[in-house]
Amino acid sequence: DVKVTQSSRYLVKRTGEKVFLECVQDMDHENMFWYRQDPGLGLRLIYFSYDVKMKEKGDIPEGYSVSREKKERFSLILESASTNQTSMYLCASRGNSWGSDTQYFGPGTRLTVL
Amino acid sequence: AQKVTQAQTEISVVEKEDVTLDCVYETRDTTYYLFWYKQPPSGELVFLIRRNSFDEQNEISGRYSWNFQKSTSSFNFTITASQVVDSAVYFCALYNQAGTALIFGKGTTLSVSS
Repeated sequence: DVKVTQSSRYLVKRTGEKVFLECVQDMDHENMFWYRQDPGLGLRLIYFSYDVKMKEKGDIPEGYSVSREKKERFSLILESASTNQTSMYLCASRGNSWGSDTQYFGPGTRLTVL
Repeated sequence: AQKVTQAQTEISVVEKEDVTLDCVYETRDTTYYLFWYKQPPSGELVFLIRRNSFDEQNEISGRYSWNFQKSTSSFNFTITASQVVDSAVYFCALYNQAGTALIFGKGTTLSVSS
């Protein structure tokens, strides 16, 4: 069975803190993604990675960075958290068939920045 | 550019009613894949179905069915005899032009009351 896990379901941080969100998949997928979900705005792509140490910016990369040191793990980093980064963060992974493979999602992390 | 429109923001039904969720998409690609996901209150996006543009047969899975019509660029989702457990946000999605990441509609919130 497909499995994507995220390190925390709920997280509360203070403005200015450095925040790490971790995602792990067990499907040996090459591609991994970070989305954020906000009411009225839907899901928006922050970053994705198509291989270890490779990354591409999505639609809203500002204020975020990512790290992929191992194939199964993709981290989202908020260098200096701000209140407008309060959101639901969803990680996903998929295989290597561009434009067709199903993306599988983790349970999400609800981040609150105070 | 690719676009997915879910015009119904919220739908409320009573248990055992049938309900159809609409999805209209825009793409210039001749080959493309469409997806439906369910997001229950717990937050995780659960994959429901993937359909490629060459297969216009309707799909049925238990109480769920999907009607894909290329002529109207629609990929509608019907739940027959709805149940309270069907209450969730439902998303329709299509790959972006690069085939790298999914573009999601804004979602339809379905509330099923007993």
